[in-house]
Amino acid sequence: SQTIHQWPATLVQPVGSPLSLECTVEGTSNPNLYWYRQAAGRGLQLLFYSVGIGQISSEVPQNLSASRPQDRQFILSSKKLLLSDSGFYLCAWSGDMARSGRSYEQYFGPGTRLTVT
Amino acid sequence: AQRVTQPEKLLSVFKGAPVELKCNYSYSGSPELFWYVQYSRQRLQLLLRHISRESIKGFTADLNKGETSFHLKKPFAQEEDSAMYYCALSGVNSGGYQKVTFGTGTKLQVIP
Repeated sequence: SQTIHQWPATLVQPVGSPLSLECTVEGTSNPNLYWYRQAAGRGLQLLFYSVGIGQISSEVPQNLSASRPQDRQFILSSKKLLLSDSGFYLCAWSGDMARSGRSYEQYFGPGTRLTVT
Repeated sequence: AQRVTQPEKLLSVFKGAPVELKCNYSYSGSPELFWYVQYSRQRLQLLLRHISRESIKGFTADLNKGETSFHLKKPFAQEEDSAMYYCALSGVNSGGYQKVTFGTGTKLQVIP
C-alpha cells in the first residue's frame, strides 16, 4: 500500500534561517506531488506541484522553493525564513492524470507545523 | 482560472438536524469535484467525489452544473461528523496537468 511521510512534525526556526522540509512517498511510482500551506480561515493554499523529477511548478510567488531530486521525494526549502512563513505545511500525492486522463484523489501527509520566531 | 468558494467558515447544527455545507465553483471546462474531511488530529482525507455518486458516512453531494454547485448534505448530523470540510475542484491547467483547487473550508460543529 502507498504511504506518505513528512518530517519534521514540528519545527521552530528563527527569522533569517534556512528551511528544509521533506516529503517521501512509498508504494507508488511517478506520482504527482504537491506542497500546500494550511492556514485558519484561508484553507489550503497550493504552493508547488510536480509531475516528475526536476519538474516543479510554482503557484504563488513567495520566499519558498521546491525541489524533486528523486521520483518519490519532494523538498520544500527557503534560504531565509520570514515571520510570515509560519504555518502548517502539507505534502500530498496523487496519480498521474496526464497518463490516465482522469483526476485522482490526493493523499495527504501528516503535515509539519513551522513556527518562525 | 478555477475557483472554489465555501461561504461558511463555521456551521453549527444540533445532533439529528440536517446538514448542508455549501460549495460553489468556477471552471470553464468539465470539472471533477471532491469533498475532503479533516477530523481532529487526523490527516486530511477524501470523503467523496462526484463521479462516484456514492454516499459516504451518510453524506451525499450532487454536482449542479447549472448553479455551479457541489453542496454536501446529510439528513441527520452525528457528533462524529464534527470536522473541517474542504471542497476541491480538479481541472486541467494550461500545461495539460491536473490542478486541484481547494476552498477555504467549513468547520462543522455538531452540538449534542
